[in-house]
Amino acid sequence: GAVVSQHPSWVICKSGTSVKIECRSLDFQATTMFWYRQFPKQSLMLMATSNEGSKATYEQGVEKDKFLINHASLTLSTLTVTSAHPEDSSFYICSARVWVEGAGTQYFGPGTRLTVL
Amino acid sequence: RKEVEQDPGPFNVPEGATVAFNCTYSNSASQSFFWYRQDCRKEPKLLMSVYSSGNEDGRFTAQLNRASQYISLLIRDSKLSDSATYLCVLADSSYKLIFGSGTRLLVRP
Repeated sequence: GAVVSQHPSWVICKSGTSVKIECRSLDFQATTMFWYRQFPKQSLMLMATSNEGSKATYEQGVEKDKFLINHASLTLSTLTVTSAHPEDSSFYICSARVWVEGAGTQYFGPGTRLTVL
Repeated sequence: RKEVEQDPGPFNVPEGATVAFNCTYSNSASQSFFWYRQDCRKEPKLLMSVYSSGNEDGRFTAQLNRASQYISLLIRDSKLSDSATYLCVLADSSYKLIFGSGTRLLVRP
């Protein structure tokens, strides 16, 4: 199957700093990538849809100025958590969509665990 | 009401047991259905897609009832390595994935 990588796999930062997370499709091109967040014992929640060469589409309740998304190439999308606070501590997972026989399949990256002190 | 509802469990079963998970969804316009598996502190991985006709992959059998908006997963002959959280997932009309909160399975020796 298609491989998606994320970097870093975990990060600890101080409150008020910004953190950038990278999502790469390693062996395929993805015009659409997705960013999810998962709090402990909860389901994955879609934050935004990242489209190559255009602005991201954010889900209701997600602050676009706080979670900056850039999808500058067909293999890379980045999520920047600006001015992070402890409540932003979570597991951030990206996925890349591949179309197979008319159906979209999402392949997930391994996730980035963010802890804000 | 949540879009996808699952019993959180945990289901604690002995090796070799048969275990069934259920899931209901609220949006009748949902396009596609899946079961994902998520191990602790890892990303979800696709276990199988779910079709109206029912489908089987080895020890795993999935069923979809569109009229009742109900999905099931049956695991036969449980292995220790089956211990994980099983996520019921559907895709809406724009192929966005909607995740259930998962059912935790513990298979004991």
